[in-house]
Amino acid sequence: EAQVTQNPRYLITVTGKKLTVTCSQNMNHEYMSWYRQDPGLGLRQIYYSMNVEVTDKGDVPEGYKVSRKEKRNFPLILESPSPNQTSLYFCASSQAGVAGSPLHFGNGTRLTVT
Amino acid sequence: AQKVTQAQTEISVVEKEDVTLDCVYETRDTTYYLFWYKQPPSGELVFLIRRNSFDEQNEISGRYSWNFQKSTSSFNFTITASQVVDSAVYFCALSERHFGNEKLTFGTGTRLTIIP
Repeated sequence: EAQVTQNPRYLITVTGKKLTVTCSQNMNHEYMSWYRQDPGLGLRQIYYSMNVEVTDKGDVPEGYKVSRKEKRNFPLILESPSPNQTSLYFCASSQAGVAGSPLHFGNGTRLTVT
Repeated sequence: AQKVTQAQTEISVVEKEDVTLDCVYETRDTTYYLFWYKQPPSGELVFLIRRNSFDEQNEISGRYSWNFQKSTSSFNFTITASQVVDSAVYFCALSERHFGNEKLTFGTGTRLTIIP
């Protein structure tokens, strides 16, 4: 089954404790991206990657890091989480080079930072 | 900058009623794509439809229909004979492609509640 898999689904942590949210897709997509969803703000792009070893900032990259060492994986790293990073996070992928290719989203990771 | 406005924050209708979710967008691009996604209570995002800027034909899929009007920059979504399973948050989104980034600009969503 074609899918984007995120782990964990729920995460509660404390301020300053480094964490990683994993994302993997099995569709051989070149393009991957991270979004965060906050009430009243919709979804906003954090980082994106057009291919292996190619990453760039989205609209709200502060406090986040990403890496793309393999095509299928695109982890989101919070080196020193803060309460304002409490949010619902989505990883997504799509075919690069195909204009308007729909984004396929993972099931989301609900992060709480206390 | 691109922008998507979903002015209806929450809508409640009784089951079997028809309901329309509004979406208005702003873009300077001549080529763009519009999307609707559904987010049920379980939280995942489900792709519903994509429409490109050159295709203004309305689309119908079962009880769902979409009305795209470039003249008013709107891409509205209608559910006919609503059902409880339609209860969800619905997002309208606009695709921009700058330097290879297929970023979606989302509206703030409309929470639809279908009352049995």
